This record gives sequence, structure tokens and C-alpha cells, in this order.
Amino acid sequence: DAGVTQSPTHLIKTRGQQVTLRCSPISGHKSVSWYQQVLGQGPQFIFQYYEKEERGRGNFPDRFSARQFPNYSSELNVNALLLGDSALYLCASSLEAMGRNTEAFFGQGTRLTVV
Amino acid sequence: RKEVEQDPGPFNVPEGATVAFNCTYSNSASQSFFWYRQDCRKEPKLLMSVYSSGNEDGRFTAQLNRASQYISLLIRDSKLSDSATYLCVVNKISNNNDMRFGAGTRLTVKP
Repeated sequence: DAGVTQSPTHLIKTRGQQVTLRCSPISGHKSVSWYQQVLGQGPQFIFQYYEKEERGRGNFPDRFSARQFPNYSSELNVNALLLGDSALYLCASSLEAMGRNTEAFFGQGTRLTVV
Repeated sequence: RKEVEQDPGPFNVPEGATVAFNCTYSNSASQSFFWYRQDCRKEPKLLMSVYSSGNEDGRFTAQLNRASQYISLLIRDSKLSDSATYLCVVNKISNNNDMRFGAGTRLTVKP
């Protein structure tokens, strides 16, 4: 069985550009969450989507947006990139949106470098 | 104050040693607790969930103290392959699966 897949694996962008990151959850999983991990820190929650609806949003500016498609895959968009957006962007899928011990499975991440 | 705080580390221990990691969380409404392991430049992977009664999985033991808002992870008989960053994770489970991660504690097990 395929795990969580993210694309691209690496990306270099220039300040001010826009970027779209993609995620395909594990088959059967309906919830997708996005996290940003800066070097030396733990992942920070950005968004969660469940059944194509936004269920949660972390403390990130409006330059960050996301959506979930009918097949449960998801895209994360970041506009007007800043140097500080350079990070590993992780996608996590889980079976449900909420509930005790809802295990989240992470993709390998997209490493974004803004220059 | 950070929502989830962990020992800063790094921990450098010899093979066979016992090592303990501590974690505190600030939100008393938190309901689920986990330890994730992250290898260098890899994604986090679930190590174990943490239950109120404490739980054990082989050489790993996790404990939760809700009154003190404290979580711990004990690794016995450390192996070289245990070298990784260990992330403490807390989940409020209100309307979503919003997991809050600690910054992680780096463990290096040496021969």
C-alpha cells in the first residue's frame, strides 16, 4: 500500500513568487493536515481538511491557503514567498478528522527553499 | 510559554543505557498524547501513543501525568538505531486533529 505521497520533494523559489505543494493521502483516509517544520523546530500546524472542508487553521498569515479535492488529495498554496517560508512542509493523513488517538501518517515532505 | 516543551538535549548515551525524556504541555484541555520519532531529514513517524495508565512497547515506556501536565518517555537498553529526534505531541481534539509538537529532543546512542 502506498503511504502519504508529496510532490515535489524539493523546490527552490524566489522571494515574491507563489508555490503549490501537493499531497495524496493514504487510500481510505479522508483527513489531510499540513505542517511547516523549520530547521531545529517541531512541525507547526497550518491547516486541516476533512471531507473537502477546512476543519482547522494554525497561526499562519493569509498568504497560506489550501484545499482538498473530491479524491481527498490536497494542495497547499503560499503566495508572496518570504525567506522565512523556507522549511520542510509536511502533509499528514488520518482516517478521521477527530477522535481519540487518531494516528497521523506523514509524507516525506517538500523541502522549500526561498532565495 | 510554548504549548509543548521538551528537554532541549542533545542526549549522548552509550549503547545499553537507559534514557528518559520529559515533556510538559500548557493546555489542560489536551486529550491525546503521542511520541513521534524523526530521523535526520525524514518525516516524523509515530513511536507510541501515551495513555493515562502508562503503556509499554518493548524497550519503550510512556507515562502521562494529567495533574502535572507532564509526559515522559523511557528507553531501556538503548540501541544505535534509537539515534533520532523524539517529538512530544499533544492533541486537543476539539473539532480537528490539530497536533501540537514540541521542538524535539535529539538522542545519539554511541557504541
